[in-house]
Amino acid sequence: DAKTTQPPSMDCAEGRAANLPCNHSTISGNEYVYWYRQIHSQGPQYIIHGLKNNETNEMASLIITEDRKSSTLILPHATLRDTAVYYCIAQSNTGNQFYFGTGTSLTVIP
Amino acid sequence: DVKVTQSSRYLVKRTGEKVFLECVQDMDHENMFWYRQDPGLGLRLIYFSYDVKMKEKGDIPEGYSVSREKKERFSLILESASTNQTSMYLCASRRGGSNQPQHFGDGTRLSIL
Repeated sequence: DAKTTQPPSMDCAEGRAANLPCNHSTISGNEYVYWYRQIHSQGPQYIIHGLKNNETNEMASLIITEDRKSSTLILPHATLRDTAVYYCIAQSNTGNQFYFGTGTSLTVIP
Repeated sequence: DVKVTQSSRYLVKRTGEKVFLECVQDMDHENMFWYRQDPGLGLRLIYFSYDVKMKEKGDIPEGYSVSREKKERFSLILESASTNQTSMYLCASRRGGSNQPQHFGDGTRLSIL
C-alpha cells in the first residue's frame, strides 16, 4: 500500500472550511484513498473514500487530483467537534488492513 | 449505522493473567480485525478474521491469540499478559469484498501491572 504524507498539524477557524491535504505520490491504480479521524480516547471514525472521482457525503468532500498523487479532505463548515487527528490512507481494494500514519492534528478555534 | 462494541473501555490486569477482550458488531460483517495503538507507532494489526473460525496473523501476533466462533463476535486473548502489552486495543469490522471501509469500536485501554 502506498505511503501517505500529511502535515502534522493545522488550525481552522470555527465556521470556515477546513482543507486537509494528503500526498500519495506512489499510489497505484487499484488503491483507494480513505480518510478517517480520531477524537481523543475514541476509535477511528470513517469519513469518506474514493478512487479517482471527487466524492461527497454528509460529513465531508474528497477531492482527488487527476494524477491521483494527492487529495484534499474538505470539512465545509468546521465546528469545535471537528477537532481531531485526521488520517489519510491509501489501500488496495484487496488489502486487509489499514496503515495509519501519524495524521494531521486539526484544531478548530472558536 | 455500523456499531462495533468493545466490552470494556478500561481494564487493569496483572502480569501473567490470561486476558480476554471481546468485540461484537451488529452489521453481519464478514471481516473483523484487532489492532493495538501506541504513541508514535500508529495502529498495528494483531490478527484478523475473514470468516467464522478463520483467522490470519497480522504484523504483531506474538503473545496473542483470537477466537471467532460466531460471525458477530471476535475475541482477542492475551495468553499470559506482560507489561509490554499495555496499550489501546481497537477492534474493527468490514463487509467482505473490495472497496469497503473498516469501522472501529471505541477501544479498550488495557493496563498490565
